Amino acid sequence: ETGVTQSPTHLIKTRGQQVTLRCSSQSGHNTVSWYQQALGQGPQFIFQYYREEENGRGNFPPRFSGLQFPNYSSELNVNALELDDSALYLCASSSDTGYEQYFGPGTRLTVT
Amino acid sequence: GIQVEQSPPDLILQEGANSTLRCNFSDSVNNLQWFHQNPWGQLINLFYIPSGTKQNGRLSATTVATERYSLLYISSSQTTDSGVYFCAVDRGSTLGRLYFGRGTQLTVWP
Repeated sequence: ETGVTQSPTHLIKTRGQQVTLRCSSQSGHNTVSWYQQALGQGPQFIFQYYREEENGRGNFPPRFSGLQFPNYSSELNVNALELDDSALYLCASSSDTGYEQYFGPGTRLTVT
Repeated sequence: GIQVEQSPPDLILQEGANSTLRCNFSDSVNNLQWFHQNPWGQLINLFYIPSGTKQNGRLSATTVATERYSLLYISSSQTTDSGVYFCAVDRGSTLGRLYFGRGTQLTVWP
């Protein structure tokens, strides 16, 4: 039990739609990172937020965006969904004093 | 970015056997984590081990940072050990970006 939760567990969307995924970090963890895991691959870094500001981004287009709120919750938004966006989306939180990241259970997104 | 290579890609064992999983990385790191991903996708933290040796029950891990590799040892395998094992590293800069390997798929048969 990492103390990181995500919702929903899974969802199905149609190409071109928009989706919002949610994450609740461990209390006291000011850093949240989002990862995309395609089938058979390791997770790929999307972006990271620290104290409500984007702190860095991986190789993902601008239609992937995020928000972080003061209550340790955060969102990943994806616009104009494409079939290749079908994946497991993971959020991870970490504290200010350490590098170790703790992952939520993930949201499995299917785009048809 | 940092390249992370894990071997072997697949491992099939009989219950009770021992195994060693390897992770090689291409740059110096300040964070190295081993994870077990269960069938539902949850990444379970096994070890935070940027250097040195740690043990937790039947599992142990060693990281030799100067030679850029880490080993995960599983002794007396159980069927519940099945799943994918990931190694992930981070340079430890202000951006805590983890670079993952492609994982080792472990199957333990009774």
